[in-house]
Amino acid sequence: AQSVTQPDIHITVSEGASLELRCNYSYGATPYLFWYVQSPGQGLQLLLKYFSGDTLVQGIKGFEAEFKRSQSSFNLRKPSVHWSDAAEYFCAVGARAAGNKLTFGGGTRVLVKP
Amino acid sequence: GAVVSQHPSWVICKSGTSVKIECRSLDFQATTMFWYRQFPKQSLMLMATSNEGSKATYEQGVEKDKFLINHASLTLSTLTVTSAHPEDSSFYICSATPTSGGLFIAKNIQYFGAGTRLSVL
Repeated sequence: AQSVTQPDIHITVSEGASLELRCNYSYGATPYLFWYVQSPGQGLQLLLKYFSGDTLVQGIKGFEAEFKRSQSSFNLRKPSVHWSDAAEYFCAVGARAAGNKLTFGGGTRVLVKP
Repeated sequence: GAVVSQHPSWVICKSGTSVKIECRSLDFQATTMFWYRQFPKQSLMLMATSNEGSKATYEQGVEKDKFLINHASLTLSTLTVTSAHPEDSSFYICSATPTSGGLFIAKNIQYFGAGTRLSVL
């Protein structure tokens, strides 16, 4: 069975500082990997995804993530955080078949200090 | 592209009544849609996978007679919470996976609606 762990429940970061959110997954083969962001009371917006190829993936809003097979990790990073980045971030893993269901991590809530 | 509309965004109902939530893919066709439930400050829990023209597949522990899912077309899935009770109060989110990719739409991606907050009194 696939699973996703996001070790950090909360992260507080100062505006302008860098941000890294951790994600570790368990899956029998190479999975599809995703990062989604959720603002309060809203649905989820896709930040980026990894299917294959270059292990460093660029996403929207200045985010990037790196797939490390040896560590079963897919950490999300942003060099300089903006106040609007305060939100809940979810890492998810999916099977390599169209329409297959996702397994989400528990989420990391990011707070941005002025 | 890839807009998923969920309606209503917020609903309050009396205990014992039924509530229907709609999930529409506005600019793509979706053979598969998913329904999630999210409790406050928690992650998304998959309730069921909705397939156009066939019965939904429910996750373990989800009552199929309680949460009725219909996926009658390639752009619409509905979730009906029957005989709702206060413990059904939650945030319900749907997602849709495009049948085919396009210029701004990717296959193998779940596009999410904005969610429906259900409060049962």
